[in-house]
Amino acid sequence: DVKVTQSSRYLVKRTGEKVFLECVQDMDHENMFWYRQDPGLGLRLIYFSYDVKMKEKGDIPEGYSVSREKKERFSLILESASTSQTSMYLCASRPGGVPYGYTFGSGTRLTVV
Amino acid sequence: AQKVTQAQTEISVVEKEDVTLDCVYETRDTTYYLFWYKQPPSGELVFLIRRNSFDEQNEISGRYSWNFQKSTSSFNFTITASQVVDSAVYFCALSGLNYGGSQGNLIFGKGTKLSVKP
Repeated sequence: DVKVTQSSRYLVKRTGEKVFLECVQDMDHENMFWYRQDPGLGLRLIYFSYDVKMKEKGDIPEGYSVSREKKERFSLILESASTSQTSMYLCASRPGGVPYGYTFGSGTRLTVV
Repeated sequence: AQKVTQAQTEISVVEKEDVTLDCVYETRDTTYYLFWYKQPPSGELVFLIRRNSFDEQNEISGRYSWNFQKSTSSFNFTITASQVVDSAVYFCALSGLNYGGSQGNLIFGKGTKLSVKP
């Protein structure tokens, strides 16, 4: 069963901490994405990557960075967590070429206190 | 610019009612793809359907059906005889052809929260 796995389902961190959200896919997909989801705002793209070591900013990259050292893993980094980054974070992946649908992970609900 | 509008923020129905979720899109591309996703309370978005711009045939899958109309730039989703398990947030999304980089990224609507009450 192919899947996208996010390392944590729930996470509580303190303001100012450096936070790592990990995402691993086992489908050999070229493209990977990080979204945050907030009530009333839908899904907002933070960063995406269409190849190893490649990354592109999405709509709301401020306060975040990413790392893609291996094809299967795409990490989201909150350099200095703030309460405004309390949210649901969703990782997704997709093959290259014709745009198939994304496969999503089950999400990480991050609370910054 | 590409855009997806789901005007219905929340819908509440009673079990066994039919319900239609609206999706209107904007794009200048002649080739594009439309998607629907379901996000149950567990949180994971589940792919429901992909339709390309050259295929305007309506699609039916069990109690689910989709009506694609290029003339009105709409891709509406109907659930027949709704059930409590259909309660979820439903997202409509649009993508152009994937020429690399961001060209094939999905543009999501803000979602419609469907509550089906027993």
